[in-house]
Amino acid sequence: LAKTTQPISMDSYEGQEVNITCSHNNIATNDYITWYQQFPSQGPRFIIQGYKTKVTNEVASLFIPADRKSSTLSLPRVSLSDTAVYYCLVGEDNAGNMLTFGGGTRLMVKP
Amino acid sequence: GAGVSQSPRYKVAKRGQDVALRCDPISGHVSLFWYQQALGQGPEFLTYFQNEAQLDKSGLPSDRFFAERPEGSVSTLKIQRTQQEDSAVYLCASSLAGTGYSNQPQHFGDGTRLSIL
Repeated sequence: LAKTTQPISMDSYEGQEVNITCSHNNIATNDYITWYQQFPSQGPRFIIQGYKTKVTNEVASLFIPADRKSSTLSLPRVSLSDTAVYYCLVGEDNAGNMLTFGGGTRLMVKP
Repeated sequence: GAGVSQSPRYKVAKRGQDVALRCDPISGHVSLFWYQQALGQGPEFLTYFQNEAQLDKSGLPSDRFFAERPEGSVSTLKIQRTQQEDSAVYLCASSLAGTGYSNQPQHFGDGTRLSIL
């Protein structure tokens, strides 16, 4: 399984755009990149998934360069409620596959 | 609609006791996963069911851990002769389809926080 590396923590302020970059140098051809969000005392929540280029949904955007060795989760105009841990995962896009979580990035949004 | 439900939310047990943790997946979801999350760390895979079949139990830390899903819906994770190192949050996740189906994210419950005294 491809290993991911992401910053341990980040600070931001309300209204700013936050970009969290994840490195996955050993990503395989069949691997997708998926991001989950986790609030304290809750289970992880799926945010976004992509394979290449750019994916956007109502919550976030995911930018993936051509070599796919990294990806960037972009959260537009964050609010205090976006304070959470964000996990970058790499693996086959297969409902029967277990998810391999790293340590995640702890995002703190300040007023 | 209803999400993944886990019970109890909190469980305190004395070392050596047996515990049972329950997971009610989203109705109709074929795949069911159990994860263990230690404080300050990401979840770690324990075991996987496709319907009632346990297809992968490679993550179970010892033979004290046992999981079942007899009718392909509700699942129970049982830990026998609990130890202090078993203290963690146990998360259950389900997804709509099984092996070979793509683009089906896993939906997590809020977990059971287990504390072993």
